[in-house]
This record gives sequence, structure tokens and C-alpha cells, in this order.
Amino acid sequence: EPEVTQTPSHQVTQMGQEVILRCVPISNHLYFYWYRQILGQKVEFLVSFYNNEISEKSEIFDDQFSVERPDGSNFTLKIRSTKLEDSAMYFCASVRVNYGYTFGSGTRLTVV
Amino acid sequence: RKEVEQDPGPFNVPEGATVAFNCTYSNSASQSFFWYRQDCRKEPKLLMSVYSSGNEDGRFTAQLNRASQYISLLIRDSKLSDSATYLCVVLGFSGGYNKLIFGAGTRLAVHP
Repeated sequence: EPEVTQTPSHQVTQMGQEVILRCVPISNHLYFYWYRQILGQKVEFLVSFYNNEISEKSEIFDDQFSVERPDGSNFTLKIRSTKLEDSAMYFCASVRVNYGYTFGSGTRLTVV
Repeated sequence: RKEVEQDPGPFNVPEGATVAFNCTYSNSASQSFFWYRQDCRKEPKLLMSVYSSGNEDGRFTAQLNRASQYISLLIRDSKLSDSATYLCVVLGFSGGYNKLIFGAGTRLAVHP
């Protein structure tokens, strides 16, 4: 069964550093998403991406966040200057219309 | 009012028990509903979609009451392996795109 692959599985970074979380969506999917889950809290929508541009973003997704699909394969989430409160699980998802969402196994980001 | 609201639990039940989870959603225009299962520090995985007519998948039964904006999940003959967090999820739609809106989840612990 096709998978969404996320790397790294765990990243520890110092406050103020930039991080890039990577995702390889399923190849024939057209819609891509990033969600995050702070420990003990609900899964929250960050951003959706379609046709090489952001289609919607939440209020969490401020100027410190950016997404891109640099090579038509990888889908990345960049946090420019990490804060302690960015510590969370970050899940990538890709969607093929009428076939539902497939989530990656997540990247656990720890900001120290 | 929260977009998707669930009793956080935990529900501690013995093997073989029947347990029911409830969920309410705030947007009456919502069209698609799901139950996801999430194991500790793992990605959400689709358990089942929820249809107006109700649907069953083995020991799991999901029901939707649009008038009350209420969704339920019934698990019969609980197994130890059912221990997890169950997420009520609504497909939100805005600006021509959709996104999943998650409840905070209900924790289930099945004991021998």
C-alpha cells in the first residue's frame, strides 16, 4: 500500500534555529497538508497546498512557517526561527480526491 | 463552541465490554464525518467513515444524527488491542478547499 514518508522521525533543535521537515507524498495525490499535534492536545490544521501554492492556512501558520514543493516530489515545512512552543508532532498528509487522507508517521520536533 | 467536541475519557473497560463514544460538531453545513484511531505518538489512522444511515464494520458501529449534530461510535466485545485514542473528525470546507477538523479524542483503555 502506498505510503506518505516523513523525515526525520525525530528532530531536536535549539530555540531560534531553522528546521525543515520533509515529506514525500503519494505520487498521484494532488492535495497536501501539514498538521501538528502538541503533546496531549488535538491534531491541528496548519496549511493545505494544491497546484504548487498554499490554498489555505490556519492562524498558527504565521510568517515563521513556509511550505514548498521544490522538486515535484518532496513537500517541506520550514520553521524559520523555532520557539519552545513549536515542539510538537508534525504530520504530513496527502489526498487523492474521493480516496481520503493518508498521513505520514510524523516528525517529532523538540525545541530546547 | 469548539468545532468538534468529545469526552476526553479515559474509558477503562474490561475485555469483552461494549463501549460507546459520542461527539458533537458545531458546523451544521458539514458533510463528511469520520472516526480515526490514534495510538500513542503515532499518526491518526482512519477507522471508519460515518454515514447518515449508520454503518457497521465488524465490532464497530458508527452513527450520525444530523439534526442533533451528533456522531457516535460503538465498540462491541472490546479487545486489549482496541486501547487507543479515538478521534472524531469532521471534514471542513472553506474557500473551495477542504481540511480535516479533529476533536481532542477519547482515550480507551481495555484491561484483562
